[in-house]
Amino acid sequence: NAGVTQTPKFQVLKTGQSMTLQCAQDMNHEYMSWYRQDPGMGLRLIHYSVGAGITDQGEVPNGYNVSRSTTEDFPLRLLSAAPSQTSVYFCATSWTATDTQYFGPGTRLTVL
Amino acid sequence: AQSVTQPDIHITVSEGASLELRCNYSYGATPYLFWYVQSPGQGLQLLLKYFSGDTLVQGIKGFEAEFKRSQSSFNLRKPSVHWSDAAEYFCAVGGSQGNLIFGKGTKLSVKP
Repeated sequence: NAGVTQTPKFQVLKTGQSMTLQCAQDMNHEYMSWYRQDPGMGLRLIHYSVGAGITDQGEVPNGYNVSRSTTEDFPLRLLSAAPSQTSVYFCATSWTATDTQYFGPGTRLTVL
Repeated sequence: AQSVTQPDIHITVSEGASLELRCNYSYGATPYLFWYVQSPGQGLQLLLKYFSGDTLVQGIKGFEAEFKRSQSSFNLRKPSVHWSDAAEYFCAVGGSQGNLIFGKGTKLSVKP
């Protein structure tokens, strides 16, 4: 039982490049979400999903895309990376939207 | 709008001393409240949560928190701090999208 896994752990991109951050969970949780953490800002919600096939925007969705084709996976896509997207990204999952959320170890992304 | 305020950016306490980290929230209904801890380079770990019932909540690692509706507060306490408690602590409230709305965090340093 791996819990919540995120890959890669670290990534450096050049401005304009695209990439996908992976998030997978083996707890059969319905609710999955992506946050970004910036110094002095806490964590802010990017996108979330209440189940396979259903996604919605959070507080800071611009520049990011998500899809949820399976219960287990919730990838986050950066279409054209910008320096403002330099951040640490966390995936979180829970049984329901109001239940305890379990966080992955994070992906540290630098955009040059 | 829902929000969480952690007034203290950085707190330093001596090992063995007591600790109180402050958290104030803004939320119209009865809130779901959480405290998470983040060690350097790590993900977030749940310390404790309040959904309803007893307003004094016990968590892991000897932490407790008290929900005070009249003061819109959910302060975290520990009677005797250990060096391993040095970390960043985040208070969060459950948002209307099922996400967590985080405060900006309080960094705890522990003096030997």
